[in-house]
Amino acid sequence: KNEVEQSPQNLTAQEGEFITINCSYSVGISALHWLQQHPGGGIVSLFMLSSGKKKHGRLIATINIQEKHSSLHITASHPRDSAVYICAVRLGSQGNLIFGKGTKLSVKP
Amino acid sequence: GAVVSQHPSRVICKSGTSVKIECRSLDFQATTMFWYRQFPKQSLMLMATSNEGSKATYEQGVEKDKFLINHASLTLSTLTVTSAHPEDSSFYICSARTRWFPRDQPQHFGDGTRLSIL
Repeated sequence: KNEVEQSPQNLTAQEGEFITINCSYSVGISALHWLQQHPGGGIVSLFMLSSGKKKHGRLIATINIQEKHSSLHITASHPRDSAVYICAVRLGSQGNLIFGKGTKLSVKP
Repeated sequence: GAVVSQHPSRVICKSGTSVKIECRSLDFQATTMFWYRQFPKQSLMLMATSNEGSKATYEQGVEKDKFLINHASLTLSTLTVTSAHPEDSSFYICSARTRWFPRDQPQHFGDGTRLSIL
């Protein structure tokens, strides 16, 4: 069993839809990252969370430490949001990241 | 703007060639750099971790004589794929972080290098 599980693996949405991507993990962590990987391969760090909720523009990330679960929400989705979204967790303050397999999002105009 | 610069973005070369990939932190001192490899439709796989001034720590199954990592300064790490073969063709991506910032600093990633060995 993977230590970091993401769902769904693939997601197709119409422009404007509200999108949720989920991440569950099975180990104790010091932080959880949401990353965006563009079709060209480059990776952008969207959020780093250790508790609660963060918001940046149309993106919202939440984490429930007791449930070992995090969600990434995109409001008013746009075709430019099409990318692979990756959940990654860190074990300990200086530990390495453990990555989920990613969720491929396609937003159609 | 990008805080980690990776170069080159794409390499196509013949089998047996050695290829060097550079990773630079642009506006912070990267005390730790990570090198990952990603195969199509797969998640990132950590190859090695390097701390500035120290030898890299390689993950199990990664040949350290094949993938030479140098992290001689706080802003530059290099990965050299020696005598590359077609099975080394992959997407290589570096990442950097610093221990001197507050703990809530994210890990920054380069744009990756797509390596194709003919």
